[in-house]
Amino acid sequence: KNEVEQSPQNLTAQEGEFITINCSYSVGISALHWLQQHPGGGIVSLFMLSSGKKKHGRLIATINIQEKHSSLHITASHPRDSAVYICAVKVFYTDKLIFGTGTRLQVFP
Amino acid sequence: NAGVTQTPKFRVLKTGQSMTLLCAQDMNHEYMYWYRQDPGMGLRLIHYSVGEGTTAKGEVPDGYNVSRLKKQNFLLGLESAAPSQTSVYFCASSYQEDEQFFGPGTRLTVL
Repeated sequence: KNEVEQSPQNLTAQEGEFITINCSYSVGISALHWLQQHPGGGIVSLFMLSSGKKKHGRLIATINIQEKHSSLHITASHPRDSAVYICAVKVFYTDKLIFGTGTRLQVFP
Repeated sequence: NAGVTQTPKFRVLKTGQSMTLLCAQDMNHEYMYWYRQDPGMGLRLIHYSVGEGTTAKGEVPDGYNVSRLKKQNFLLGLESAAPSQTSVYFCASSYQEDEQFFGPGTRLTVL
């Protein structure tokens, strides 16, 4: 079993829909990252959080440490949001990130 | 600022050949990382460095070596390439343990 699991693996949506991507992990962590990988391959960090909630534009990330679960929400989705969204966790007392396999999102006009 | 750059962007090797991938960052970051990305798998850490002159093994270090002689550069070497090393390689850097900034990737094919 992977230490970081994302769901769903693939997601399609119509423009304007509210999107939720989930990440569950099985290890003790000091932080969780959400990353975006565009079709061209580039990877961009969206959020790093260790508790509560963060918001940036139409993106919202939440984390529940007790339940070992995080969600990434996209409000009013747009075709330019089409990308792979990756969850990664920083395990306690290490310098390393463990990555999920990603959720591929396609938003159609 | 260029951020994180990687050289080359693409490379095709024959089995047994050697090569070096160069990662450079201009953000004065202490931490640098090399990852590989394979279909159906998450990014996996090959080696990393927490400062100039230091390196450490990650999750999949076998077949690779690294060096961090200058703070801004992190080199990944393949001494004798194998088809299993066909992958997309990403370099990243961070200020201590903050968010990581990724390079554009290097697509390597080993025949």
